Amino acid sequence: NAGVTQTPKFQVLKTGQSMTLQCAQDMNHNSMYWYRQDPGMGLRLIYYSASEGTTDKGEVPNGYNVSRLNKREFSLRLESAAPSQTSVYFCASSERGTGYRSGANVLTFGAGSRLTVL
Amino acid sequence: GDSVTQMEGPVTLSEEAFLTINCTYTATGYPSLFWYVQYPGEGLQLLLKATKADDKGSNKGFEATYRKETTSFHLEKGSVQVSDSAVYFCALRSGGSNYKLTFGKGTLLTVNP
Repeated sequence: NAGVTQTPKFQVLKTGQSMTLQCAQDMNHNSMYWYRQDPGMGLRLIYYSASEGTTDKGEVPNGYNVSRLNKREFSLRLESAAPSQTSVYFCASSERGTGYRSGANVLTFGAGSRLTVL
Repeated sequence: GDSVTQMEGPVTLSEEAFLTINCTYTATGYPSLFWYVQYPGEGLQLLLKATKADDKGSNKGFEATYRKETTSFHLEKGSVQVSDSAVYFCALRSGGSNYKLTFGKGTLLTVNP
């Protein structure tokens, strides 16, 4: 059981280049998330998808776009990379997005994608 | 808005020492509280959780009690091991937010033999 799989694990970009981070989960979860992790900042939510066909902005959405391709896959795109987007990106998923004691509380994370923008 | 404040790290302990990592929160409604752990080179994984006041979450020898009166959820372990070396994140999900987990900044724990 693979859980949440992210690709690529490492990527170096030049300023202005574009790229897409891929994420897939095999747990039949409804909700998926993209976070970034920066030193001293913890994790900050970029975008999330409560269910297939819906996406919403999180705390730090500027410079990013997302696509919920199907129930399994949720991609994050940087259209024009900037050095401020150098970070470690984590994809996560959870069972449901509603009900404050629901299974949505527990997120399963991927191993992360380290992105450097020069 | 929601926020989580964790004690600053890094924390360095000797094996078998007692561990406390403080966590306090501000939230609307009645939040659920979590501790996640991140081992080197890996993603975060759930360590324990508590969904209502006075609940105690526990796992792998770690414990945390949901204290509504002090808005705290401190992580404790009686005897740490080298394998506990990791970054620990306190997080909350408030009743008013269906989807968002709010994380603290993380505390790096290093346990020396």
